[in-house]
Amino acid sequence: AQKVTQAQTEISVVEKEDVTLDCVYETRDTTYYLFWYKQPPSGELVFLIRRNSFDEQNEISGRYSWNFQKSTSSFNFTITASQVVDSAVYFCALTTISKGGDSSYKLIFGSGTRLLVRP
Amino acid sequence: NAGVTQTPKFQVLKTGQSMTLQCAQDMNHEYMSWYRQDPGMGLRLIHYSVGAGITDQGEVPNGYNVSRSTTEDFPLRLLSAAPSQTSVYFCASKKQGFGTEAFFGQGTRLTVV
Repeated sequence: AQKVTQAQTEISVVEKEDVTLDCVYETRDTTYYLFWYKQPPSGELVFLIRRNSFDEQNEISGRYSWNFQKSTSSFNFTITASQVVDSAVYFCALTTISKGGDSSYKLIFGSGTRLLVRP
Repeated sequence: NAGVTQTPKFQVLKTGQSMTLQCAQDMNHEYMSWYRQDPGMGLRLIHYSVGAGITDQGEVPNGYNVSRSTTEDFPLRLLSAAPSQTSVYFCASKKQGFGTEAFFGQGTRLTVV
């Protein structure tokens, strides 16, 4: 079975604090992609990053960084020096390719983590 | 750039009514999908299409129909609305190919009373 777990339902931090959002995934397929999406209060879903199963390099983009560890099936997201504009719901998602072929039309989402950054 | 356009943004239906949620994309993407978002459950796949004339069921298809007569459009039909279909609906499109990201519409908040 394929599954994405975001155990943190809601996190509240004060501005400028660092915060890490956890994502744990399950899949038996060896080829897969992981994604992070942001859903601000306006409601749309904004793509943040993708990582394939063969690339365990960590990624940094400004205040955002992602740590992918296959050994623990985790793809965690850290925001450094958080800002009020980071307040949103963040989703981790998984798509895989199996012997049956490309099933990348389907994203398997975690339940999301609501981040509140207080001034 | 319009991207993925969904209409309407808000809708209230009475139980038993039918309606169609519209979705259009202008990126010439092969894949299109409909998801519903419910509190504490993330997004779940309702139906998807890998090209014009080809559709299939996702995780939660009951009570919904889709068709894809053109590459651009992928409407979602609620046949007989039920309170359990109260949700936020998202249409997504992506370019064919493993690892390409999905682009989402603004969402439709549907309430069935």
